[in-house]
Amino acid sequence: AIRMTQSPSSFSASTGDRVTITCRASQGISSYLAWYQQKPGKAPKLLIYAASTLQSGVPSRFSGSGSGTDFTLTISCLQSEDFATYYCQQYYSYPRTFGPGTKVDIK
Amino acid sequence: QVQLVQSGAEVKKPGASVKVSCKASGYTFTSYYMHWVRQAPGQGLEWMGIINPSGGSTSYAQKLQGRVTMTRDTSTSTVYMELSSLRSEDTAVYYCARDGIIAAAGTWGWFDPWGQGTLVTVSS
Repeated sequence: AIRMTQSPSSFSASTGDRVTITCRASQGISSYLAWYQQKPGKAPKLLIYAASTLQSGVPSRFSGSGSGTDFTLTISCLQSEDFATYYCQQYYSYPRTFGPGTKVDIK
Repeated sequence: QVQLVQSGAEVKKPGASVKVSCKASGYTFTSYYMHWVRQAPGQGLEWMGIINPSGGSTSYAQKLQGRVTMTRDTSTSTVYMELSSLRSEDTAVYYCARDGIIAAAGTWGWFDPWGQGTLVTVSS
């Protein structure tokens, strides 16, 4: 199985900050990577697929980049509604695997 | 709009089985694969398996082989996930999630949308 790692595991930030989360795959996955946002008690929500394609309806302050083994999710100007946990997921092969998550909370 | 609505919370004893349903609407049910994902309390996301609603074929995570069964009912646009021989470690929220790419494309993608989740508690 492809192992996904994320860094950092958590951090505190302020509204207006630019934040970057990193995701790494244990082997190359081309651009078969998605990013999800999850708020407490809610289902995950798709933000980005194909490493950099913004899902319809997702604010443009979210962006993704990378290919192969290294990927990043960037939030250009953090808003109050962005405090959540973010997961990366590879869909290059089965079993589908997720990163352990990055929790973004308020400083 | 595309919507997945899951059945309600369950409390089960160790050794029992649970069957969770996921009713799809807003799209052609047989055109997209469906996945199941679970999340233990305070933990990350774990992929459980996939079902093709058209032909009923399935593929399961190795860890759950022999205990999980995914089925579908095309007449009601509903997929089911049954987990047997429950143990405390199976306590989790269980989600269904539609694959992001139409099945006819011959490949599989991301997960979107997701059901609201079903809490399954295993406790004696």
